[in-house]
Amino acid sequence: DAKTTQPNSMESNEEEPVHLPCNHSTISGTDYIHWYRQLPSQGPEYVIHGLTSNVNNRMASLAIAEDRKSSTLILHRATLRDAAVYYCILETNAGKSTFGDGTTLTVKP
Amino acid sequence: SQTIHQWPATLVQPVGSPLSLECTVEGTSNPNLYWYRQAAGRGLQLLFYSVGIGQISSEVPQNLSASRPQDRQFILSSKKLLLSDSGFYLCAREEGPSGVYTFGSGTRLTVV
Repeated sequence: DAKTTQPNSMESNEEEPVHLPCNHSTISGTDYIHWYRQLPSQGPEYVIHGLTSNVNNRMASLAIAEDRKSSTLILHRATLRDAAVYYCILETNAGKSTFGDGTTLTVKP
Repeated sequence: SQTIHQWPATLVQPVGSPLSLECTVEGTSNPNLYWYRQAAGRGLQLLFYSVGIGQISSEVPQNLSASRPQDRQFILSSKKLLLSDSGFYLCAREEGPSGVYTFGSGTRLTVV
C-alpha cells in the first residue's frame, strides 16, 4: 500500500494559519489524497480530499504539489477546536487505506 | 444520512471471554465496510473489510473474525480475547468513487 509521511506534532497559535505537510512520494496516478482529523475518543472525521487540483471547502484548503508527491492541509485560522490528530492518507482503487500515526496539532490560546 | 451505529461505547472483558461488536449503517445499499483498531496514541490498523454480504477480507491474522450477515450489518467477533486485543475499535463505510470514509463513534475495549 502507498504510504504517507507526516510530522509527529505541530503547534499553532489561535487565529493563525496552520500548514500541515504530508509526503507521499509513491503515490500512483489514480490515488486520491484524503485528510481526516480525530478528536480524543472519537472516530476520525473527514476534512477534505483531492486528486490533482487544489481544493477548498468550509473546513480547510488542500494544496497538492504539481508532481503530487506531497500535499499540504491549510487551516486558515486555527481555533482551539482544531486541536486534533490529522491524518493524510491515500485512497487507492483497492479501497483500503492505511492510516499512519498522523500529526498531533496543538493550538495555543 | 450516512450514519454509522456502533455499540457498546465501552467494554471491559476478561481474558479468554468471547467478543461481539456490532456495526450497522444507514444510507445507500451495498456499502464497503471496514473494521479498524487503534492502540493508544497510534494510527488506525485495518483489520477487516467487506464489499458485500458474506464477503470478508482479513488484513491482519489474529484471533478476531468478522461477518456480514446483512447488507448494512458488520460484526467483529472473537472466541477468546487476549490482553493484546485491547484498543479502540472503529467501524467505517466508504462513500463514492473517491472513497471518502465515514467512521462510527467507536468501541473502547479493555481486556483485563
